[in-house]
Amino acid sequence: AQSVTQPDIHITVSEGASLELRCNYSYGATPYLFWYVQSPGQGLQLLLKYFSGDTLVQGIKGFEAEFKRSQSSFNLRKPSVHWSDAAEYFCAVGAENTPLVFGKGTRLSVIA
Amino acid sequence: EAEVAQSPRYKITEKSQAVAFWCDPISGHATLYWYRQILGQGPELLVQFQDESVVDDSQLPKDRFSAERLKGVDSTLKIQPAELGDSAMYLCASSLGPSTGLNEQFFGPGTRLTVL
Repeated sequence: AQSVTQPDIHITVSEGASLELRCNYSYGATPYLFWYVQSPGQGLQLLLKYFSGDTLVQGIKGFEAEFKRSQSSFNLRKPSVHWSDAAEYFCAVGAENTPLVFGKGTRLSVIA
Repeated sequence: EAEVAQSPRYKITEKSQAVAFWCDPISGHATLYWYRQILGQGPELLVQFQDESVVDDSQLPKDRFSAERLKGVDSTLKIQPAELGDSAMYLCASSLGPSTGLNEQFFGPGTRLTVL
C-alpha cells in the first residue's frame, strides 16, 4: 500500500537555525516525491519536486530535499529558517497522472 | 500567473442541507482532482477527472457526494445531505494530464466547510 510517514507532528526552531523535516514513503513503483507548504486556512503551495535525475533538488524559498532510495526517504532541509517559514509542511508521493498520497504533516513553529 | 480558482472560500451550513463547491482549473489542464482535508490531517483524494471522465472515485461517499466536470473544464462537487463529519477543507487541484511524464499538481485556495 502507498503511504507517507512524517514522524514529527510539531517542530519548533529558532530563527536563523537550520531545519530538517523528515519524510519516509512506501510506494510500489518509482515514486514522484513532493513537498508542499500550507499556511493556516490556505491551499497548498509546491516547494519542490523530484521526478528523476539528481537526487538533491532545490526548491523555492531556499528549501532543498534529498531523495534516498535505500532509505525510502525524502527529507526537507533549510540552512537558516525565517519567521515567515512557520506553517504546515506536507510530504507527498505519487506517479505520473495519479492522485497524491500525503503524510499527516509537520507543523513548524519559529521562535525569536 | 495562472491559478486554480475555487468558490466559495467559506461555507457554513446546517446538517441535512445541500452544499456545492466550484473549481476552475488552470487553462489547458486535463486532469482535475478534488481532495478533502480534515483539520490536522493531510489531504485525501475524493475524485479524479481526466477531461470530463471520472478516473477514480473509489473514495467518494457516493450516497451523499457527487462530482461532475461536464465540459472537461470546471467542476462542481456536491454534498447532499451534509453531515457533521463533512466539516473540512475541500481542495481542488489540476495538472497537465497523462503522457507528460509529470505530476505537478497546482492547488486552489480551498473551500472551508463547517456543518452545524
